[in-house]
This record gives sequence, structure tokens and C-alpha cells, in this order.
Amino acid sequence: GAGVSQSPSNKVTEKGKDVELRCDPISGHTALYWYRQSLGQGLEFLIYFQGNSAPDKSGLPSDRFSAERTGGSVSTLTIQRTQQEDSAVYLCASSLVGAGYEQFFGPGTRLTVL
Amino acid sequence: RKEVEQDPGPFNVPEGATVAFNCTYSNSASQSFFWYRQDCRKEPKLLMSVYSSGNEDGRFTAQLNRASQYISLLIRDSKLSDSATYLCVGRRGSQGNLIFGKGTKLSVKP
Repeated sequence: GAGVSQSPSNKVTEKGKDVELRCDPISGHTALYWYRQSLGQGLEFLIYFQGNSAPDKSGLPSDRFSAERTGGSVSTLTIQRTQQEDSAVYLCASSLVGAGYEQFFGPGTRLTVL
Repeated sequence: RKEVEQDPGPFNVPEGATVAFNCTYSNSASQSFFWYRQDCRKEPKLLMSVYSSGNEDGRFTAQLNRASQYISLLIRDSKLSDSATYLCVGRRGSQGNLIFGKGTKLSVKP
């Protein structure tokens, strides 16, 4: 019955390091989304999963960003060779059916790249 | 034209005031609409869906004007707890993703 959970809640890393962000969607939600939000900015769509496949990954900003979802549940967003401009809050959301339905958001992971 | 556009504000209003936000949308984000609320340093949460005939939920009223391609959110009798950023959201196509506006910041003062 829990909501969307994300880990870690905060991550500080050095420029050039790789990071992995994890999202546990609400049980039974087939759709999963990743967004990022820079300070004072709107939500920037990154990628959408329906089950384990990603029909829309148009928002990934560069090939340093990748995501996967296994078992139709947990998703991991990986950022390789982090840059300072990657600093943001990374939000995960899930929805019951598919794209366009009410999305429930996790608390986010605040990433700081030094 | 951006798919969903909002006035960023801030809107500073006294308690008890009525405040309205508008949001314009493009043809590509015109299937369904929602208002989300985001408190400072928190995740967005659904406030209400927007139906073609307009809908009301307590002090909140949402309206859709397809001819002019805008939606609105009216908040009556503002409370201090209404202070937040309000995100206008459209849907891209019948099975498309949600498109979030950048938000309108509301600050309700005593």
C-alpha cells in the first residue's frame, strides 16, 4: 500500500563518477516515468516505461543517461560520467494503466555533482 | 509555442482572497488536462482533473476553454495552506505522456 519510493534521497558525487538512482513504483502500476527538476524549474520528462519496455525515451539528455526496468517493477536510472549540470532532483512517478493517467510521484533523489 | 504555458507568478494574495490562474496549451497537448500542486521541495501531487464541462472540488474550480485553448484554476477563500506551486498539465495524444507546465507560484499571506 506504500507510495512510490526512491533511493537514495540525497546523493553527492564528484564530477566524472557514475551514479545509480532507484525507483520502486506502486505495486501493480504498469507505467513508470522519470523526470528531473532543476532548482526553480519545471519538470523535464526523461523516459517512460510501459512494463519493461521504454516506448518513449525522447527526454534523455545525452547518451550518458540510461534507464532500465526489470520485472515490470523496480527501475534504475544511471548517469555515467556525471557533470555539474546534472545536479537536480530526479523524480520518479508511476501510474496504474499507461501514459496519460494520473501519475503518483516519489519524493525524489536530490543529486549534487561537485 | 510551448505545449503548456503558465504565468510563473508569484501571485501574492491575502487570506480569503479569490485567485485565478490560466494556462494555455498547444494542439499537441490537448487530450486531457489536470492541475497538480507542488509544495516547496516536495513532489507534485494531483489536485484535480479538468473536465470539458468544468468541475468543482470544494474551494477549487477548474474550467476548460477549447476554443481559446486555455484552462483555468480558481481558488476561493484562499488559505495559508494553499501556498504552493500549481502545475498545469496536458496530455499528448490519446495515449501520450503528460506534459507539465513550469508552474505558477502562489503565496497566501495572513
